[in-house]
Amino acid sequence: DIQMTQSPSSLSASVGDRVTITCRASQSISNFLNWYQQKPGKAPKVLIYAVSSLQSGVPSRFSGSGSGTDFTLTISSLQPEDFATYYCQQSYSTPLTFGQGTKLEIK
Amino acid sequence: EVQLLESGGGLVQPGGSLRLSCAASGFSFSSYWMSWVRQAPGKGLEWVANIKRDASEKYYLGSVKGRFTISRANAWNSLYLDMSSLRAEDTAVYYCARLVDTPMLHYFEYWGQGTLVTVSS
Repeated sequence: DIQMTQSPSSLSASVGDRVTITCRASQSISNFLNWYQQKPGKAPKVLIYAVSSLQSGVPSRFSGSGSGTDFTLTISSLQPEDFATYYCQQSYSTPLTFGQGTKLEIK
Repeated sequence: EVQLLESGGGLVQPGGSLRLSCAASGFSFSSYWMSWVRQAPGKGLEWVANIKRDASEKYYLGSVKGRFTISRANAWNSLYLDMSSLRAEDTAVYYCARLVDTPMLHYFEYWGQGTLVTVSS
């Protein structure tokens, strides 16, 4: 199974900050890396698929990069609605696996 | 508008069985792979199973293989998860999700609101 490791597990930031979350796969997953946002009590929502493609309707302040085993999600200027938990997910092979999540909190 | 509505969750004793359903609307259900993903209370996301458009292929998380069965009824726009020999560690919110599945893209595009399964005596 491919293990996905996110860092940090939690992060405090302020509105307007630039934030980067990293995700590392235990083996190369090519570009089969997706990012999801989840708010408390709600279903996850896809933000970015295939490393860097922005899902329709997602603000352009979200971006993704990386290849092989190392990937990043960047939020260029945090907005109040961005405080949530973020998950990376590999779709290279089954079992499909998620990172443990990064909880982004207001400083 | 794409909608996925799960039902069937509840309290079940260890060793018991439960069937989850997901009613799909707003898209051509038979054209998409579908999935179940779960989330234990306060924990992260865990993929459970996938099923191909015509149900000819199914894939499972190792810990549920042999206990859970994913199925679909395209005529009814419905997805199912039959769960048996339930364990405490199966306690979670279970989400139905629609997959984008192409040679170069594979991700959970739409999610339902989830249904809670609690396994406890």
